[in-house]
Amino acid sequence: AAGVIQSPRHLIKEKRETATLKCYPIPRHDTVYWYQQGPGQDPQFLISFYEKMQSDKGSIPDRFSAQQFSDYHSELNMSSLELGDSALYFCASSLGKGNQEEAFFGQGTRLTVV
Amino acid sequence: AQTVTQSQPEMSVQEAETVTLSCTYDTSESDYYLFWYKQPPSRQMILVIRQEAYKQQNATENRFSVNFQKAAKSFSLKISDSQLGDAAMYFCAYRSWYGGSQGNLIFGKGTKLSVKP
Repeated sequence: AAGVIQSPRHLIKEKRETATLKCYPIPRHDTVYWYQQGPGQDPQFLISFYEKMQSDKGSIPDRFSAQQFSDYHSELNMSSLELGDSALYFCASSLGKGNQEEAFFGQGTRLTVV
Repeated sequence: AQTVTQSQPEMSVQEAETVTLSCTYDTSESDYYLFWYKQPPSRQMILVIRQEAYKQQNATENRFSVNFQKAAKSFSLKISDSQLGDAAMYFCAYRSWYGGSQGNLIFGKGTKLSVKP
């Protein structure tokens, strides 16, 4: 069965650079969530989208932005990268906005800022 | 705001034995979901088991079962017949029942489970 695809799997950037992470949800899933997991930390919710509209916002820095496109894939854009942005970024998708359907996670993108 | 607490940063179990991981949560909502996720060294987040708060019956998935105590706001995970492949970080998570903007998961800090051969 198709799963959530995230690209790239690994990314190394320098401070002050920009990064774009991509998430391709499971086919027919219309909701996407982004989470950030720092080293040794629990995942923290960043932002979510439902039907191409921002649904909810968590602890996402102003330097980050995201959107969901017409094909439901989502991109997380990160600018002016800081060392503290080094983390594993998860995308999850589900069918429907916060309903009974569970969210399936991608394998994550490991971002290292040097 | 909802919070999830896992008071055991690390646990260890002998292969084939049983281990219980603890989780407590705080919420003012009456309907919600609770989950246990497993994160092995590969860092993939894998759903282990879920519980709907309105269900009194504890969820069970093969060797994994929960003890859900709604009044006490407790949601522990029991792993029976532990296997080496169970070694991982386990996260307890909460999700609001209602639609709208409450679909995101709130995670605990995790419990690192080691399985000894």
